[in-house]
Amino acid sequence: DQQVKQNSPSLSVQEGRISILNCDYTNSMFDYFLWYKKYPAEGPTFLISISSIKDKNEDGRFTVFLNKSAKHLSLHIVPSQPGDSAVYFCAAPNTGNQFYFGTGTSLTVIP
Amino acid sequence: DTAVSQTPKYLVTQMGNDKSIKCEQNLGHDTMYWYKQDSKKFLKIMFSYNNKELIINETVPNRFSPKSPDKAHLNLHINSLELGDSAVYFCASSFGQGYSPLHFGNGTRLTVT
Repeated sequence: DQQVKQNSPSLSVQEGRISILNCDYTNSMFDYFLWYKKYPAEGPTFLISISSIKDKNEDGRFTVFLNKSAKHLSLHIVPSQPGDSAVYFCAAPNTGNQFYFGTGTSLTVIP
Repeated sequence: DTAVSQTPKYLVTQMGNDKSIKCEQNLGHDTMYWYKQDSKKFLKIMFSYNNKELIINETVPNRFSPKSPDKAHLNLHINSLELGDSAVYFCASSFGQGYSPLHFGNGTRLTVT
């Protein structure tokens, strides 16, 4: 039962352009969402989050958008840099702070 | 360095053996977790634990047991290892109140032959 889904396993983007990573969820009770970034042979690291009372949260080059009616969120990276190449996971916690993760999108930023 | 550290990084063992993975965090967090990343790259919660409560994902076989000697440590013990246990296991920690981002260790790649 996958409550958080990332339907694009991979994405390639030219350096300097925008990267858009998408995530859908099925549980309407989720009210907090996070994005994690993972490099090979490392654990995921927290990138950015958004509460359901907002529809946008921005941190430098990273912006997360939330569309509650569509149960959809997206992560925008502008401008994309080669160091952004990694696997990105979206996640949402239940009330016990147990997180449900998507299967990840592998981003490759081409120099 | 403040971090979540887990050992070993790689673990190769035979079916039927018992093994443990150790995890330590020095972030002052009160809740620790074990996640399993399977061959499909799906990260799934196995356990969450603080000094008050252990929450077990119902799909986790009882061959898996978390053991916490203190707040900073949560070890994972696995009995009678099976081929299907091969995966990457991640330890994580957070503050248990409200929604708190997880801080992950670098994972232990377990291979059962």
